[in-house]
Amino acid sequence: AQSVTQLGSHVSVSEGALVLLRCNYSSSVPPYLFWYVQYPNQGLQLLLKYTTGATLVKGINGFEAEFKKSETSFHLTKPSAHMSDAAEYFCAVSPYYNQGGKLIFGQGTELSVKP
Amino acid sequence: DSGVTQTPKHLITATGQRVTLRCSPRSGDLSVYWYQQSLDQGLQFLIQYYNGEERAKGNILERFSAQQFPDLHSELNLSSLELGDSALYFCASTNSGSGRETQYFGPGTRLLVL
Repeated sequence: AQSVTQLGSHVSVSEGALVLLRCNYSSSVPPYLFWYVQYPNQGLQLLLKYTTGATLVKGINGFEAEFKKSETSFHLTKPSAHMSDAAEYFCAVSPYYNQGGKLIFGQGTELSVKP
Repeated sequence: DSGVTQTPKHLITATGQRVTLRCSPRSGDLSVYWYQQSLDQGLQFLIQYYNGEERAKGNILERFSAQQFPDLHSELNLSSLELGDSALYFCASTNSGSGRETQYFGPGTRLLVL
């Protein structure tokens, strides 16, 4: 069965520092991969996704992620954190063979940004 | 604003009761997904509908049911409620229901069972 592991339920960085949120998936076939962000009391919003093609994917708000098949990883990065980046981040997969489009989510990583 | 609407925003009810959560997808979207977000289980896929037909089922309890109507809005019915059903319930929509599409999430319905 597909699964997603996000390393670290809580990450804290200083404003201006590098943000690195880790995501590993388990799948014998590369799935479609997504990062969503959830701000307090709001729904989820897509940051970026990988389906096929270029393995380095750029998203909104300066975030990017790189699909590494050999490492089964899809880590999310941002060169310089901003206070407004404080939120919960979810990595998700949609199995390639999936007849529907369900998403399997990781447990989430809460990002705090210190001034 | 994702274009997906959910009502009500908050719901407080008692154990054993039944509630109905409503979702209207983005204009033009044919597929609706329901997810449950709780502290202990995280974000879990419940069920997907495409153009009125059930397409995929996840960890949905037998006490829960859903349907999608001809106007494409969807309802999630939760019955014989238990304390553990307290959670945030999200609806999402996509156009074709394929796995590569971005899912647009509504703001959620927060259910509290007392």
